[in-house]
Amino acid sequence: DAKTTQPNSMESNEEEPVHLPCNHSTISGTDYIHWYRQLPSQGPEYVIHGLTSNVNNRMASLAIAEDRKSSTLILHRATLRDAAVYYCILRGGATNKLIFGTGTLLAVQP
Amino acid sequence: EAGVVQSPRYKIIEKKQPVAFWCNPISGHNTLYWYLQNLGQGPELLIRYENEEAVDDSQLPKDRFSAERLKGVDSTLKIQPAELGDSAVYLCASSLSSDRAYEQYFGPGTRLTVT
Repeated sequence: DAKTTQPNSMESNEEEPVHLPCNHSTISGTDYIHWYRQLPSQGPEYVIHGLTSNVNNRMASLAIAEDRKSSTLILHRATLRDAAVYYCILRGGATNKLIFGTGTLLAVQP
Repeated sequence: EAGVVQSPRYKIIEKKQPVAFWCNPISGHNTLYWYLQNLGQGPELLIRYENEEAVDDSQLPKDRFSAERLKGVDSTLKIQPAELGDSAVYLCASSLSSDRAYEQYFGPGTRLTVT
């Protein structure tokens, strides 16, 4: 299974944009890029996913590099409620599984 | 719409005792997943059900873990006997189908402590 690399932690200020990076240099052509987040004491929550093109939804934007070896989750205006662990996940191939790594712990300062 | 329901939320047992966790997925979701999450780690898939059939249980330690989803709706995960290393959060998730596996809905989890 292809692997993702994320920073262990990041900090942001409230109401500012946040760019969460993810490297996936061994991604295959059929792997989708997913982002989930996990708030304290809760289960993970789906955020967004994409294959090749940039994606937007009500929660965030996903920017995918042209060579697909990296991607960035963009939170346009961070709030205190966005403090969570953000997981970048590749899904595809024969297993079709979500394989979580250790994620990035995002702290949002007021 | 109700989310994924899990019970109990917390469980403390002594080693060698049995324990069971219950999950009720979102109504209409055919695919159900059980995950294990150790402290500081991401969730790891234990088993996946398509309706009542376990289609992927390759990561389930079958010597002590078992699961069932008899009517294709709610599910139970059991450990017998529990070991100290089983202390973790057990998460249940569901999706409409395996084709929609990209959007899984997770319950709050059951935090198990084995003493």
